[in-house]
Amino acid sequence: GNSVTQMEGPVTLSEEAFLTINCTYTATGYPSLFWYVQYPGEGLQLLLKATKADDKGSNKGFEATYRKETTSFHLEKGSVQVSDSAVYFCALRTGTGANNLFFGTGTRLTVIP
Amino acid sequence: DAGVIQSPRHEVTEMGQEVTLRCKPISGHNSLFWYRQTMMRGLELLIYFNNNVPIDDSGMPEDRFSAKMPNASFSTLKIQPSEPRDSAVYFCASSFAWGGVAGDYEQFFGPGTRLTVL
Repeated sequence: GNSVTQMEGPVTLSEEAFLTINCTYTATGYPSLFWYVQYPGEGLQLLLKATKADDKGSNKGFEATYRKETTSFHLEKGSVQVSDSAVYFCALRTGTGANNLFFGTGTRLTVIP
Repeated sequence: DAGVIQSPRHEVTEMGQEVTLRCKPISGHNSLFWYRQTMMRGLELLIYFNNNVPIDDSGMPEDRFSAKMPNASFSTLKIQPSEPRDSAVYFCASSFAWGGVAGDYEQFFGPGTRLTVL
């Protein structure tokens, strides 16, 4: 089956610290991988994506590389800001003709000044 | 574009009452998704539509839940009768998919409806 496993939170970091949020997946076929971010009181927004092995998605200083050999898509940022405080969701879409996404449980990040 | 619009933003009701959540997708999108988010279960897909047709409703919890999409610009999720365990944030999302074949697209989420069933 299809599933996404994220590191459990919450994660609390000081401003300018390095961030890693781990994500591994199980999927049939060749999935596309996504990171979504949910700011307080809002819906989810696409942060970045990668559609094939070794692709790197990047946006707003965040990066994630699609690693087929380790079935991983870890999210990283070199220097977090207070405004990055949010819940981060890893997700996959199997690309078999279905349009639905499979989400991880989310990781809450709090950045303190 | 106004984005995905959901109403109401907050709903408080009593157990046994009927609840109707509404969603207006982004104009031109042909796929619509209903999700439920709770602390215990995270984000769950309830049902999704392609071109107004329900494709997968396996995530709908039970017969008390029903969803309709009478046209491309409107969808409802109804709970009848509601129960306290239905309390959650319900999200609607929309996207555009080419000819039913999965493409490199993005799901756009609405702000959600926070439902509290007393």
